[in-house]
Amino acid sequence: NAGVTQTPKFQVLKTGQSMTLQCAQDMNHNSMYWYRQDPGMGLRLIYYSASEGTTDKGEVPNGYNVSRLNKREFSLRLESAAPSQTSVYFCASRHPGGYGYTFGSGTRLTVV
Amino acid sequence: AQSVSQHNHHVILSEAASLELGCNYSYGGTVNLFWYVQYPGQHLQLLLKYFSGDPLVKGIKGFEAEFIKSKFSFNLRKPSVQWSDTAEYFCAGGMGTYKYIFGTGTRLKVLA
Repeated sequence: NAGVTQTPKFQVLKTGQSMTLQCAQDMNHNSMYWYRQDPGMGLRLIYYSASEGTTDKGEVPNGYNVSRLNKREFSLRLESAAPSQTSVYFCASRHPGGYGYTFGSGTRLTVV
Repeated sequence: AQSVSQHNHHVILSEAASLELGCNYSYGGTVNLFWYVQYPGQHLQLLLKYFSGDPLVKGIKGFEAEFIKSKFSFNLRKPSVQWSDTAEYFCAGGMGTYKYIFGTGTRLKVLA
């Protein structure tokens, strides 16, 4: 089925470790996004990529980096994980014409 | 600054009760508005969207929303909720840009 695939689904890191969250979409969408979801705070945009070859900061970019590897793939990297980055991370891609997003199934990250 | 506000953080209803969840936005121009639903342990799914035209928008699973420009509101409604509607509901909006802003969410619990 067409959609957005995220890996891994769960991850536990120790403070200071690094990791990359992977995201791929097969809908030929130009724009892709990384959000984090925290209780009572809704979804906050970390980074987005309006098109292949471009990336921009969202509301909460500190501590993260992204790579738009090609049109399909958009990865999120935590260089030195901190407990404040414990969250659920969602990748999304945007339908043309602004017809909303399709979200991946999320990555639940715990930093201890 | 652009914002989306959801004032009901937790709602508890009995089955067959009517539902209305509030959403207000701060955009002054042409706006795209959305409601998403997140069932427990799942990713966000699009319920309905508004771009222009008829201010009463019908979505999936019997949900509808009304865009009231004068009140900057886009409230979600359902005449008769079911236990399976237990979920978290997010309002989101944007002005045709690449980024949508999400509200903080409303947790709905429907008692059987």
